[in-house]
Amino acid sequence: NAGVTQTPKFQVLKTGQSMTLQCAQDMNHNSMYWYRQDPGMGLRLIYYSASEGTTDKGEVPNGYNVSRLNKREFSLRLESAAPSQTSVYFCASSEIGVSGNTIYFGEGSWLTVV
Amino acid sequence: RKEVEQDPGPFNVPEGATVAFNCTYSNSASQSFFWYRQDCRKEPKLLMSVYSSGNEDGRFTAQLNRASQYISLLIRDSKLSDSATYLCVPYSGNTPLVFGKGTRLSVIA
Repeated sequence: NAGVTQTPKFQVLKTGQSMTLQCAQDMNHNSMYWYRQDPGMGLRLIYYSASEGTTDKGEVPNGYNVSRLNKREFSLRLESAAPSQTSVYFCASSEIGVSGNTIYFGEGSWLTVV
Repeated sequence: RKEVEQDPGPFNVPEGATVAFNCTYSNSASQSFFWYRQDCRKEPKLLMSVYSSGNEDGRFTAQLNRASQYISLLIRDSKLSDSATYLCVPYSGNTPLVFGKGTRLSVIA
């Protein structure tokens, strides 16, 4: 099973350029997330979508937009990239149940803004 | 108080050693807990779930102390392949999950 697939895996952008990170999951999960991870900072939530048609801001949403295209897909857009957005981005999905909320991650997208 | 706090380490231990990490959480409504493992330059992956007082899976044991609001992860007979960062995640019934910064473990030959 593919699980959570995100593209691209690596990207170099110039300051001010825009780009979209794509994410798709094949587990029929309702919830999807975008995290960024920087050295020493741990995983920080950018945006999440609890269900199809809804999106909410996380801890660090500034400079990003998201689209929950359908139940499978959740994209992250950088409208005008800045060097501070150099990071590893992880997409994830989960299904909240009575016993918990196991989250599954994609392999990550390494983004460098120069 | 931060929602999740972990000792960042690194914990450097020899092969075969027993090592334990603690994770403290601030939300007393947390119902269940997860330990994730993250290898260098890889995505986090679920290691263990804890729904009651604890859980055991082979060499790994998680123990929950609700009164003191901490959860521990014990690794017995450490292997080189256990070298990774271990992330603690409490679950309070609300999405999304908040991850700790993780504890780094290096097992040395």
